[in-house]
Amino acid sequence: GAVVSQHPSRVICKSGTSVKIECRSLDFQATTMFWYRQFPKQSLMLMATSNEGSKATYEQGVEKDKFLINHASLTLSTLTVTSAHPEDSSFYICSARGAGTLQETQYFGPGTRLLVL
Amino acid sequence: QQPVQSPQAVILREGEDAVINCSSSKALYSVHWYRQKHGEAPVFLMILLKGGEQKGHEKISASFNEKKQQSSLYLTASQLSYSGTYFCGTENNAGNMLTFGGGTRLMVKP
Repeated sequence: GAVVSQHPSRVICKSGTSVKIECRSLDFQATTMFWYRQFPKQSLMLMATSNEGSKATYEQGVEKDKFLINHASLTLSTLTVTSAHPEDSSFYICSARGAGTLQETQYFGPGTRLLVL
Repeated sequence: QQPVQSPQAVILREGEDAVINCSSSKALYSVHWYRQKHGEAPVFLMILLKGGEQKGHEKISASFNEKKQQSSLYLTASQLSYSGTYFCGTENNAGNMLTFGGGTRLMVKP
């Protein structure tokens, strides 16, 4: 139980284009989903927290107009990197938290490696 | 504020033991431990809730000292598969977001 998937696993795009990343909880309902960014050999930096049906809460320094988050259902959240630039290249990981015993911790998706040329 | 992990890196021979520490400057509700292999997402190991309990499975266990606001992860008789980066994530209140430490890179050699 508590499986989270992400799609795509890897994406290469040209500078200026937008990229959408999907995060799905496969066998539980995720009341809260989190989006992280991780640069090589660094820790996980929280970008935003989203609850189903409401606006995402962004961490300080994260541009909400650049990183659009939609948590449309209890099993799906999407992160859209708009007008991507090379400095946006990173490993993006989502995690999900459920209800009941699944609320105890966060379960991570496999991550999406973004390379902006 | 980000919890502090120590050591930053450790190299072991197979069968040796290791301890990874995680300290916070704030009162903690819980500590979560994850292991991340290169290029993969973090995998949940265990959670410790306030109350000072010690948890474990197989040869990996952890303790949580609420008063000292710190947790330790114990790896005994390490195996090659234990290699990876270990992160602690701390939570100040129930159901809150996790704040992750800087990570401890563990390498187990044959």
